[in-house]
Amino acid sequence: EPEVTQTPSHQVTQMGQEVILRCVPISNHLYFYWYRQILGQKVEFLVSFYNNEISEKSEIFDDQFSVERPDGSNFTLKIRSTKLEDSAMYFCASKKGYVQETQYFGPGTRLLVL
Amino acid sequence: GQQLNQSPQSMFIQEGEDVSMNCTSSSIFNTWLWYKQDPGEGPVLLIALYKAGELTSNGRLTAQFGITRKDSFLNISASIPSDVGIYFCAGLPAPQTSGSRLTFGEGTQLTVNP
Repeated sequence: EPEVTQTPSHQVTQMGQEVILRCVPISNHLYFYWYRQILGQKVEFLVSFYNNEISEKSEIFDDQFSVERPDGSNFTLKIRSTKLEDSAMYFCASKKGYVQETQYFGPGTRLLVL
Repeated sequence: GQQLNQSPQSMFIQEGEDVSMNCTSSSIFNTWLWYKQDPGEGPVLLIALYKAGELTSNGRLTAQFGITRKDSFLNISASIPSDVGIYFCAGLPAPQTSGSRLTFGEGTQLTVNP
C-alpha cells in the first residue's frame, strides 16, 4: 500500500541553523500538507500546497518557514533560522483530490533545536 | 480558530472491555476523521466520515458523524492490548477553507491492561 515517507526521522540542530525536512507524498496525490506536534500536544496545521503554490497557511507558518516541491516527487519544509520552540514532530500529509478529504500522514521527523 | 473538544483525555481499561470516545465542537464540520498514533510515529487513519449521520465500521471500530455535524464518536469493542495508543479526532470545518486544513482534537490516551 502506498505510503507517505519522510526523511530524516530525527534531526538535531543548533538554534539559528537552517533545516530542511523532506517528504515524498503518495505518488498520485495532488494536495500536500505540513503539520507539527509539540511533545504531548495535539497536531497543528502549518501549511497546505497545491498546484505548486501555498493554498493556506496558519499563523505558525511565519517568514522563517517555506515549502517547495522541487521535483515531481519531493515536498520540503525549510526552517531558515531555527528557534528552540521549533522543536517538535513535523508530519507531512497528502491527499488525492479536492473531493477526497482523507489525508494520509507520514511517520514524521522529530526536530530538536538546542 | 476552530476548536475540537475531545474526551476523555485518557482511559485505563481491561482487555475485552468496550471503549467510547468523542469529539465535539461549537461549529459545523464537513468531514470527521479518526486517527491512531503510536509513540514516535505519525497518525494512522482509522475511519473517515463524510456525511451527517453516517455510521462506519472498520473491524472492531465504529465511528459516527453526528447529525448536527458538530460531533463524532469512536467506539472500540472487545479491546486488545495492541489498541494502546493515542486516538485523535480531526475535522474539516465548514465552510471549507481553500487549503482543507484539518483541525485536531487533543487526543485520548488509551491504556489496555491485559
